[in-house]
Amino acid sequence: ETGVTQTPRHLVMGMTNKKSLKCEQHLGHNAMYWYKQSAKKPLELMFVYSLEERVENNSVPSRFSPECPNSSHLFLHLHTLQPEDSALYLCASSSSGTPYNEQFFGPGTRLTVL
Amino acid sequence: AQSVTQPDIHITVSEGASLELRCNYSYGATPYLFWYVQSPGQGLQLLLKYFSGDTLVQGIKGFEAEFKRSQSSFNLRKPSVHWSDAAEYFCAVAGTLSGSARQLTFGSGTQLTVLP
Repeated sequence: ETGVTQTPRHLVMGMTNKKSLKCEQHLGHNAMYWYKQSAKKPLELMFVYSLEERVENNSVPSRFSPECPNSSHLFLHLHTLQPEDSALYLCASSSSGTPYNEQFFGPGTRLTVL
Repeated sequence: AQSVTQPDIHITVSEGASLELRCNYSYGATPYLFWYVQSPGQGLQLLLKYFSGDTLVQGIKGFEAEFKRSQSSFNLRKPSVHWSDAAEYFCAVAGTLSGSARQLTFGSGTQLTVLP
């Protein structure tokens, strides 16, 4: 595998389910990001892990919980979601070793909440 | 706070015609600017980036962009569009977030349709 991979690519869940999204980067980067992409809205940064420090968007509901066990793996744990959480969830990574940390994106997980 | 405006929500061009997608940014310091492209059902692919130096930057797939500080613009251009260029295009500006992480602020995107 190369680049940034995300699993699953598609997920349908009920509002009472608990699920997790997984992201893995094979680029040797040291920062990873979760973005939410909703129809007709700009990409929204949800969480960042950089050198083991977590930075989060304070507007993200607590039903989204990130986990970054190491610099190559990133998870987004989902519980008791709402229909408005249906969106494309994109993972990205970057490296402080590159000039200005351009971010490389995975293909995304298309989430549908029923 | 940084922001990005892409004034055109949707642009339609004929195959072989030239293309210009507009991007205006607001940022207090020297901006780090990016253009990404997203095909349906896919993630974002980096087309090109500007950090400093030559204000005309070349990217992949025959795209180029010109940074104009006086106009706070970073427009994307291509001399001759191919049908495979149909996609959504996002302009982004990067600012320092924390440590090694950069916060990308994205525009709302421009959807490009290419007519045969």
